[in-house]
Amino acid sequence: DAGVTQSPTHLIKTRGQQVTLRCSPISGHKSVSWYQQVLGQGPQFIFQYYEKEERGRGNFPDRFSARQFPNYSSELNVNALLLGDSALYLCASSWGGDTGELFFGEGSRLTVL
Amino acid sequence: GENVEQHPSTLSVQEGDSAVIKCTYSDSASNYFPWYKQELGKGPQLIIDIRSNVGEKKDQRIAVTLNKTAKHFSLHITETQPEDSAVYFCAASDGNNRLAFGKGNQVVVIP
Repeated sequence: DAGVTQSPTHLIKTRGQQVTLRCSPISGHKSVSWYQQVLGQGPQFIFQYYEKEERGRGNFPDRFSARQFPNYSSELNVNALLLGDSALYLCASSWGGDTGELFFGEGSRLTVL
Repeated sequence: GENVEQHPSTLSVQEGDSAVIKCTYSDSASNYFPWYKQELGKGPQLIIDIRSNVGEKKDQRIAVTLNKTAKHFSLHITETQPEDSAVYFCAASDGNNRLAFGKGNQVVVIP
């Protein structure tokens, strides 16, 4: 069975640009979460979506937005990129509810120049 | 919000020895404590987890213990092997699928 898949794996943007990252959850999983991992740090929670509705938002500016589609895949959008947005963006899927068991993808490495 | 701290930041062990990583958390409402292993260039992989109604859980060479009173939990790896070398993250959640991670521990197993 396929795990969580993310695209693109690597991308380079310049300050002020916009980026869209994509995630496909494990088949049958209805919840998708997004995390930002800066080099040398643990992942930081950005968003959680369950059944296409936002269930939680971390301490990130409004430049960050996301959505979940009817097939449970998800997109993370970041506008007006800053140098500090350079990070590994991780998508995690779960069955939903409150199991807490998150399964992560390999991430999208974003570099902002 | 929840604050999770990990110690030590780097741990070197001889192959075959045991490794222990300790984490503390701040929110007494947290009830789920997973451990993730992250290899270079990969996403975190869930290796073991424990819920607040259990004090200890084992899976082959890996075990996790939880002390709710002291708000700390630990990962124990026995008979370490070179493939155990990685960054290990502890995390805590109050059941809403939102994980608060520690900063990670680099474990180096010396052959």
